[in-house]
Amino acid sequence: DTAVSQTPKYLVTQMGNDKSIKCEQNLGHDTMYWYKQDSKKFLKIMFSYNNKELIINETVPNRFSPKSPDKAHLNLHINSLELGDSAVYFCASSHRGRVNTEAFFGQGTRLTVV
Amino acid sequence: KQEVTQIPAALSVPEGENLVLNCSFTDSAIYNLQWFRQDPGKGLTSLLLIQSSQREQTSGRLNASLDKSSGRSTLYIAASQPGDSATYLCAVDAGNMLTFGGGTRLMVKP
Repeated sequence: DTAVSQTPKYLVTQMGNDKSIKCEQNLGHDTMYWYKQDSKKFLKIMFSYNNKELIINETVPNRFSPKSPDKAHLNLHINSLELGDSAVYFCASSHRGRVNTEAFFGQGTRLTVV
Repeated sequence: KQEVTQIPAALSVPEGENLVLNCSFTDSAIYNLQWFRQDPGKGLTSLLLIQSSQREQTSGRLNASLDKSSGRSTLYIAASQPGDSATYLCAVDAGNMLTFGGGTRLMVKP
């Protein structure tokens, strides 16, 4: 049983297209995140949602729009894709503000914009 | 703003060596610190979590320490094996998000 699952695993698309990545967690966590890992492998926060409410939006272009229909799901929609959006996107979940709760990550979505 | 630094960026050792990976952070107001492993093309696997009030955690050949006041953590790997080759990431949780270091790319040669 996968704790944090995201789909698709690979996504190849043309510039200008709109695409979505889905994420689901079955851990009962109250907080979910999207991270971007660039070509230099650095992981940077994009969004953080707590109980379906946006709490972090880290200077991400408006073309990126997260949606959390419930605590277990956080989807990422990207409009008008650009070459620079090519990266690996990771979804994660945890319990906000708890010292003893690990964060779990999905396997990543490798987005390639051509 | 929290900043996390990992040293060294890359490390190559012969099999069997004990090694230490370093992580430093600028803001000591954290809930916990996690060490992750990432294999090429794969996701992140949690190795150890140290709560803010703890000094160390152990799992098998791995031992992680935390000195919150000085903003430092170390990951000690005993008797390294080729299968330990991966990128090791530390991340601090300040409540709203995890902030990651740049990682240490470890290569253990047979």
